[in-house]
Amino acid sequence: DVKVTQSSRYLVKRTGEKVFLECVQDMDHENMFWYRQDPGLGLRLIYFSYDVKMKEKGDIPEGYSVSREKKERFSLILESASTNQTSMYLCASSSGPSNSLKGLFFGSGTQLSVL
Amino acid sequence: GQQVMQIPQYQHVQEGEDFTTYCNSSTTLSNIQWYKQRPGGHPVFLIQLVKSGEVKKQKRLTFQFGEAKKNSSLHITATQTTDVGTYFCAGRDTGFQKLVFGTGTRLLVSP
Repeated sequence: DVKVTQSSRYLVKRTGEKVFLECVQDMDHENMFWYRQDPGLGLRLIYFSYDVKMKEKGDIPEGYSVSREKKERFSLILESASTNQTSMYLCASSSGPSNSLKGLFFGSGTQLSVL
Repeated sequence: GQQVMQIPQYQHVQEGEDFTTYCNSSTTLSNIQWYKQRPGGHPVFLIQLVKSGEVKKQKRLTFQFGEAKKNSSLHITATQTTDVGTYFCAGRDTGFQKLVFGTGTRLLVSP
């Protein structure tokens, strides 16, 4: 069974802390994504990656960075957490070339609270 | 930039009634995907439509992609309580690689 695993289900951090959200997929997918989900706003794309060591900005990259050193792992980094980054963070992966993506497989999400 | 809107935002039906959610894009799409998210869960991929005017069925669910490839719909026949959740469409602009999600339609089904 396909699996996208996010390291934490719930996380509480303080303003100004550096936060790492980890995501691992076991499907050998080329493409990985980070979304945040907020009530009334749906899912918004933060960053995505179509290959190892490759990254592209999504719609709301400000305040975030990413790392993809290995194909199966895609990390989201909040350099200095702020309260407006309190949200549900969802990692996803998919197969296929970048111009013909298949459906996304999502992890269970990390609910991050920044106090 | 590309925008994908969904209506209605919320619908409450009695079990057995039909349900439809509509998805509209500001730009022409290369394809559209549909996802379901149960309360407290994560989005689960349902289907992808690629061709203009395409219609696909999954049991009681019928998915359509508009002729102009700018809109789509999901219709559920005779809803059941297991259909409860939020349904999202997600489309990719023909000129870009990003998948943009709609705002979702939350469905509540009363027994």
